[in-house]
Amino acid sequence: QKEVEQDPGPLSVPEGAIVSLNCTYSNSAFQYFMWYRQYSRKGPELLMYTYSSGNKEDGRFTAQVDKSSKYISLFIRDSQPSDSATYLCAMPRSGAGSYQLTFGKGTKLSVIP
Amino acid sequence: KAGVTQTPRYLIKTRGQQVTLSCSPISGHRSVSWYQQTPGQGLQFLFEYFSETQRNKGNFPGRFSGRQFSNSRSEMNVSTLELGDSALYLCASSKKPGQGGTGELFFGEGSRLTVL
Repeated sequence: QKEVEQDPGPLSVPEGAIVSLNCTYSNSAFQYFMWYRQYSRKGPELLMYTYSSGNKEDGRFTAQVDKSSKYISLFIRDSQPSDSATYLCAMPRSGAGSYQLTFGKGTKLSVIP
Repeated sequence: KAGVTQTPRYLIKTRGQQVTLSCSPISGHRSVSWYQQTPGQGLQFLFEYFSETQRNKGNFPGRFSGRQFSNSRSEMNVSTLELGDSALYLCASSKKPGQGGTGELFFGEGSRLTVL
């Protein structure tokens, strides 16, 4: 079992829809949770970063963490064509005074005008 | 402020050859990490360097190596290339180690390697 599981999609939604993206993880040591967005032919960029269980909102984006279920979600409200990208969940793991990020495989989202 | 710069952006090699990829971090950033991205495995951590020292290494064979220079620029090398090494190689920088754990990690656009 991989440490982080993410449905690769692809996911296609009409403009204005609410999008739900999810990841599950198996390692209880994960304490921080991130969502990265990666446009085609670009590197990932940090979208949201959370530590505790519960919700964190940033504009149209809401990150939700349920540590008891080892389940994290990213919600996008009023989705726009510019949101079309691959969304990756990531969790850092410490080692030798450093951190390495463990990523989900990413969900490819297309928002259709 | 300039972002993370990776060169070359695209390259094609044949099996058995070796390749060197370069990364210039954001000015002031002293930690550089490398990740491999493939459709099958997704993004996987290769290694992290700080002050010219490797701080952490992922689960990759010894054919994958890297180094960091005194100006924080980094290179990674893959020797005896295999078809499975075809991937997007991403470099990321942060001010210091451990900031990958706080989200202060900035990625370049990657070097896309194709092995024929």
